[in-house]
Amino acid sequence: GAVVSQHPSRVICKSGTSVKIECRSLDFQATTMFWYRQFPKKSLMLMATSNEGSKATYEQGVEKDKFLINHASLTLSTLTVTSAHPEDSSFYICSAYQRLQRTEAFFGQGTRLTVV
Amino acid sequence: AQKVTQAQTEISVVEKEDVTLDCVYETRDTTYYLFWYKQPPSGELVFLIRRNSFDEQNEISGRYSWNFQKSTSSFNFTITASQVVDSAVYFCALRGAGDNKFYFGSGTKLNVKP
Repeated sequence: GAVVSQHPSRVICKSGTSVKIECRSLDFQATTMFWYRQFPKKSLMLMATSNEGSKATYEQGVEKDKFLINHASLTLSTLTVTSAHPEDSSFYICSAYQRLQRTEAFFGQGTRLTVV
Repeated sequence: AQKVTQAQTEISVVEKEDVTLDCVYETRDTTYYLFWYKQPPSGELVFLIRRNSFDEQNEISGRYSWNFQKSTSSFNFTITASQVVDSAVYFCALRGAGDNKFYFGSGTKLNVKP
């Protein structure tokens, strides 16, 4: 299957700092990338959908100024958690999808963010 | 509205037992896709299967099998002769044809004991 690489896999940051998470599709062009957040023992909650070359679409309740998403190319999307706080600690996972060629989304390995 | 329900929060079985994970979905789309993903303790999501709404044929892949029934809006997953390595959280998901978004159930944690 297709490979989606997410980096870093783990990050610890101080409260108030910003953290950038990268999501790369390695062997296909991802027209769409999704960003999810998963709280411990909970399901995946869609945060936003990013389409290459356009602004991300955020789900209700997700602060777009806090979670900045950039999808500048067909192989890379980034999620920046700005001014992180302990409540932002979570598992963030991206998925990449190519609408015309594939109907399953391939997921990155996830990033465990801990804000101290 | 799109919704996926996995009523079983956690299941424990002994190795070699068969186990079925339930998934019920709601959608107003006539064309849609159903998925199962496995999430081991390491966290990554592993794609297991995709089914489109026009294909109700059940599928078997090794010890895994899936039963898709549109009449009951269910897409159940059975593991035959479970193994310890099957221990993970399993998510059922739905995607509409016109909407790129995936809607996940709450997941079922499967514990397979030796």
